[in-house]
Amino acid sequence: GAVVSQHPSRVICKSGTSVKIECRSLDFQATTMFWYRQFPKKSLMLMATSNEGSKATYEQGVEKDKFLINHASLTLSTLTVTSAHPEDSSFYICSATSGYEQYFGPGTRLTVT
Amino acid sequence: QKEVEQDPGPLSVPEGAIVSLNCTYSNSAFQYFMWYRQYSRKGPELLMYTYSSGNKEDGRFTAQVDKSSKYISLFIRDSQPSDSATYLCAMSDGDSNYQLIWGAGTKLIIKP
Repeated sequence: GAVVSQHPSRVICKSGTSVKIECRSLDFQATTMFWYRQFPKKSLMLMATSNEGSKATYEQGVEKDKFLINHASLTLSTLTVTSAHPEDSSFYICSATSGYEQYFGPGTRLTVT
Repeated sequence: QKEVEQDPGPLSVPEGAIVSLNCTYSNSAFQYFMWYRQYSRKGPELLMYTYSSGNKEDGRFTAQVDKSSKYISLFIRDSQPSDSATYLCAMSDGDSNYQLIWGAGTKLIIKP
């Protein structure tokens, strides 16, 4: 299957700092990338949908100024958590697709202290 | 009512048993159906992808879609302890910019 990488896998940052997470599709060109957030023992919560070269579409309740998404190419999307706070601590997962099946990265565990 | 219903479990079965995982849905427009497996602290892994109704088999895994009943199933034969994970169903109507509607996930435990 298609491979999606995500970096970093784990990050600890101080409250008030910003963190950037990268998502790359390694062996295919992704027309669309998704960013999810997952709380312990809960299902995936879609945060935003991004298409290469256009602005991301955010789900209701997701602050677009806090979670900046850039989809610079067909293989790279980034999520920047700005001015992170402890409540932003979570597991963030990206997925990439060129059709209806989504291929997921391994996830990034963010801890804000 | 949620668009996709999935029993969160946990479902505990002995090694070697046949496992049946299910989801029901309410939107008759759904036509793309997927099953993902997620191990703890990892991203989901696509297991099966089915378009419209019918069966699809891949090794020990069989996916079934019954659109008339709005019901999908994933069967695992000869279950192994390594199959212990959370299984998520997901589906799409094909008109939503590739977005998927997710079930809550069923936690499966295979006892040695």
